[in-house]
This record gives sequence, C-alpha cells and structure tokens, in this order.
Amino acid sequence: QLVLTQSPSASASLGVSVKLTCTLSSGHSSYAIAWHQQQPEKGPRYLMKVNSDGSHMKGDGIPDRFSGSSSGAERYLTISSLQSEDEADYYCQTWGTGIVVFGGGTKLIVL
Amino acid sequence: EVQLVESGGGLVQPGGSLRLSCAASGFTFSTSWMTWVRQAPGKGLEWVANIKEDGYEKYYVDSVKGRFTISRDNAKNSLYLQMNSLRAEDTAVYYCARGGWSPDYWGQGTLVTVSS
Repeated sequence: QLVLTQSPSASASLGVSVKLTCTLSSGHSSYAIAWHQQQPEKGPRYLMKVNSDGSHMKGDGIPDRFSGSSSGAERYLTISSLQSEDEADYYCQTWGTGIVVFGGGTKLIVL
Repeated sequence: EVQLVESGGGLVQPGGSLRLSCAASGFTFSTSWMTWVRQAPGKGLEWVANIKEDGYEKYYVDSVKGRFTISRDNAKNSLYLQMNSLRAEDTAVYYCARGGWSPDYWGQGTLVTVSS
C-alpha cells in the first residue's frame, strides 16, 4: 500500500535552516513526490516535485530558499534562512495507478 | 496568471446533494488534468478525484466511489463535482487543483457542511 509518513510537527528559529522529511512506504522508494505548503487559513501552494535521484523542479515563484533532495525512501524539503511566513503546514504527496496520496502533514513552527 | 475559483459549497443535510464548480483561467484548461482535494476541519489534505483532459478517464478515492462524480466542460473552462448521498464525514473544504497526479496550482476552496 502506498503510504507517505511525515512527522506531525517541527520547529526552528528565524534565520536558520530546517529539513522536513517524507518517507515512502516499503516497495515505493523509487517514487517521485511533490511538496505543498499551506499557510494558516489559506489554500495549499505547490512548492516542488522531488524525484528519487534528488533532482527537483520548483513551482512558479518559489524562492531559492526552498530546495528538495532524496535518500532511499526519504524525500526532503529544506528551507533555509527561515522567515516568519514559512510557518505553515507542509504536505508531501505522491501518486500511483489511479490514486493520489498525501502525507499527514508537518506543522512547522518558526520560533 | 492561473486562477481557480471554486463555488457551490454550503450547508446540506445528510443524504442530500450538492454540485461544486471550479472556474479556471490563465492556462489552457482543455489540455490539463484536473483534481478535487478536500480537507476536513483541522485535518490534512485528502485526494477526492481527478479527471483527464478529455473527461473520459476518471479516478476516485474509495470513500466517494458511487456517490461523487467528477466532470468538466472544456468549452466553459469549468470543473465540477457532483456529490450525492452526502454524509457527515464529507464535511470539508473542497479545493480544485490543476494537474492530475502532481497538482501545481490550487484554488482557495469552498466549504461543504453536512449536518442536520
């Protein structure tokens, strides 16, 4: 079964970097994923697609502070130089034959 | 500029029906897969359904199969979600998104509340 696992929460201070993790279920380590950001009381926003080889393609207007990478079944979203507006929920998402799956989301708190 | 504007949400009784619409602009709608995603209050995102460019290929999450129907009108640049036999657990904000497998633009959502 295709499942994505995310930590429920993370925190980091203004100006530093944070790395969020999304883990693919067993047997699905070659899958690409997408990262989406949802700021409070807003609709989601597509950030990027991350492939199994670590290459990533960002959406329109996404700052250079956001980057993606991979290692095995894990997909990462790194946000550098954290800003207050980065406080949001971050969802990873993938797809299989006839199905789209979201992770449970990570709530990022900027201290 | 890509814009997706959902409408049609509201309060409906259990067992009732509702039709959501999504007006698309700023891109070639007729060549894009489209998707509906929902978010229950205080919960995460859940994929509901998606539809191919020509409308002939559709997929649904198991919990809505047989109750919800996704459709589109490429002449009107519009996406629809017909929701029948609504249940309390269908209460959510419903988002329209461009793309079938890795949505890259999202609307602001429309709230559907199923309650007596």
